[in-house]
Amino acid sequence: KNQVEQSPQSLIILEGKNCTLQCNYTVSPFSNLRWYKQDTGRGPVSLTIMTFSENTKSNGRYTATLDADTKQSSLHITASQLSDSASYICVVSASNDYKLSFGAGTTVTVRA
Amino acid sequence: DADVTQTPRNRITKTGKRIMLECSQTKGHDRMYWYRQDPGLGLRLIYYSFDVKDINKGEISDGYSVSRQAQAKFSLSLESAIPNQTALYFCATSSPGTGAYNEQFFGPGTRLTVL
Repeated sequence: KNQVEQSPQSLIILEGKNCTLQCNYTVSPFSNLRWYKQDTGRGPVSLTIMTFSENTKSNGRYTATLDADTKQSSLHITASQLSDSASYICVVSASNDYKLSFGAGTTVTVRA
Repeated sequence: DADVTQTPRNRITKTGKRIMLECSQTKGHDRMYWYRQDPGLGLRLIYYSFDVKDINKGEISDGYSVSRQAQAKFSLSLESAIPNQTALYFCATSSPGTGAYNEQFFGPGTRLTVL
């Protein structure tokens, strides 16, 4: 069964600090991995996408990495801002299926 | 204006009532999906539709039904709501094909509470 596990479940950081979120998956055959940001009361919005051949992708202060051999990904947030407070969801696609496998998300709270 | 809209945004109902959640999109996508989100769990697929005449069950379709009225509209019904259907419901759309460009675009969600 395709699974996506995220850690930590939640974290609190001070404004301006960095943090890293983890995602482990068992989806096979692997096609791509996305990180979504979900603000409270809103639907998820895609931040980055990585395919098998990519091992890093940046979107502003967000940098995602992918190790397809170990089936792990991370999302690094640099110089956090209050607007980064949200849930971050790791979503993995298999190449033989249109269905997505969702992680439960990591809730990030940025405090002033 | 939002590309994917959902109505209502919030709904409180009682056990046994029939409820319809509606989704509309202006992205021109053929594929539409309904998910539910529960605390501590990833989004789970309820139903999906690849075009107006193609509707399929997802992993948790029991207790739900759908209608694809047009390419742009996809509604989810709870025929007889029960408390464990209390959740956040999302509609999503995508263009055809698997792979790197099969991004799903989500609506803002409907928070449903069944008492």
